[in-house]
Amino acid sequence: GAVVSQHPSWVICKSGTSVKIECRSLDFQATTMFWYRQFPKQSLMLMATSNEGSKATYEQGVEKDKFLINHASLTLSTLTVTSAHPEDSSFYICSARVREGTGGGYTFGSGTRLTVV
Amino acid sequence: AQSVTQLGSHVSVSEGALVLLRCNYSSSVPPYLFWYVQYPNQGLQLLLKYTSAATLVKGINGFEAEFKKSETSFHLTKPSAHMSDAAEYFCAVGGTGTASKLTFGTGTRLQVTL
Repeated sequence: GAVVSQHPSWVICKSGTSVKIECRSLDFQATTMFWYRQFPKQSLMLMATSNEGSKATYEQGVEKDKFLINHASLTLSTLTVTSAHPEDSSFYICSARVREGTGGGYTFGSGTRLTVV
Repeated sequence: AQSVTQLGSHVSVSEGALVLLRCNYSSSVPPYLFWYVQYPNQGLQLLLKYTSAATLVKGINGFEAEFKKSETSFHLTKPSAHMSDAAEYFCAVGGTGTASKLTFGTGTRLQVTL
């Protein structure tokens, strides 16, 4: 089945540094990748939609300059949290939709637990 | 605009009992509906999906859901709960295109007791 590989699984960084999270589609081409943020015991909130070869579309209230998204190829999308602060600590998950021919399902990465100290 | 409402943030059942997790949706177009399960510190795993074919959808691990247009519902059920079913469950609604985003409900935490 379609697999999205997300790395790292967890990361601890110092306040003010930047962290990059990668999501790769292993056995399919993902023209669109979705990035979510999840706070403890809460639902997933869509942050942005990344499109291969073009600028990402950010949801209202999400800082474009803080959460940099790059989708340079059909199999790789990255989220960079710039100048991270403790309030950016969260669980970040990426997702991609497999082509309609396979049933229209969305597949998710395993998530990245970011802790900013 | 699309949205889903999950009734009950926390459901507790005994092992072997029926599991019923409720989800109601709102959509201006025929929806695609999904149920996902999430274990702690992990991503989401698809349980089942409705994509306008059969209204009764069977998924993995013995779960199934029935799409009821008249009630705008897509409740998740399992005849007999197992301890390993304890997790967070999310209902979601999406569109038909590959760029269509998923909108999630607030989630229901299922607890299974002995």
